[in-house]
Amino acid sequence: GAVVSQHPSRVICKSGTSVKIECRSLDFQATTMFWYRQFPKQSLMLMATSNEGSKATYEQGVEKDKFLINHASLTLSTLTVTSAHPEDSSFYICSANGLTYNEQFFGPGTRLTVL
Amino acid sequence: RKEVEQDPGPFNVPEGATVAFNCTYSNSASQSFFWYRQDCRKEPKLLMSVYSSGNEDGRFTAQLNRASQYISLLIRDSKLSDSATYLCAVKGWSGGYQKVTFGTGTKLQVIP
Repeated sequence: GAVVSQHPSRVICKSGTSVKIECRSLDFQATTMFWYRQFPKQSLMLMATSNEGSKATYEQGVEKDKFLINHASLTLSTLTVTSAHPEDSSFYICSANGLTYNEQFFGPGTRLTVL
Repeated sequence: RKEVEQDPGPFNVPEGATVAFNCTYSNSASQSFFWYRQDCRKEPKLLMSVYSSGNEDGRFTAQLNRASQYISLLIRDSKLSDSATYLCAVKGWSGGYQKVTFGTGTKLQVIP
C-alpha cells in the first residue's frame, strides 16, 4: 500500500503556542488529504478535508481559524493548531487518498500534549 | 442516527474461535467500504476493502449487503495477535466531495 508519513510523532507544548504537523505522501501524489482527531478510547473524528491548491473543507464544529490547513503541493499537507490549549491534546492523524488509490492510507499520527 | 454504527464491544473470544462484526451505514449512496484494524495508540491500518460479491483474505471474510446497508467481517481461527479494534469505513459523496466516515470501532480481545 501507499506510504504516508507524519511529523512530528509526538509534541509537548505550553498552552498558547502554535504547533504545526506535517503530512506527506511518500510514493504517490495525493490530491486529497484528510485530518482526523482521536481522543482516548473514542472514534476517529474527521476534522477537515484538504484539497491540493484550494481551501480546506472543515467539518461542522471545527474552527477553521484555530486549525489551519495548507495543502500547497501534491505530497504535503500541514495542520497548524494555533494557540493550543489543554483540551486540544489529542492524537492527530492524517490520511491520503491518491489519484489511483480508492482506499485511504494513514500516517502514523501525532500525539499532541498541551500543558 | 449516526452515519456509520458499530457495536463497540468488547468481544472476548478464545483462541481458535470464529467471530463476526457488523457495521451499518445510513447513506444509501455510499460507494466504497472498508475494514481497518487499529492497535492501541497506533494509526488505523487497512485490513481489506469490501466488495459487493464478498471477498476473503486468509482467515478474514468481508461481505456487503447493500439492501440492508451493512457490512460484515468474519474472522476464523482467531489468534492472539488479532486482538485490536476493528473500524469499518464507508466512502461516499457528501457536500460535493468524497468523504470517508468511520465507525466507532469494535474491540476484539482474543484470550489464550
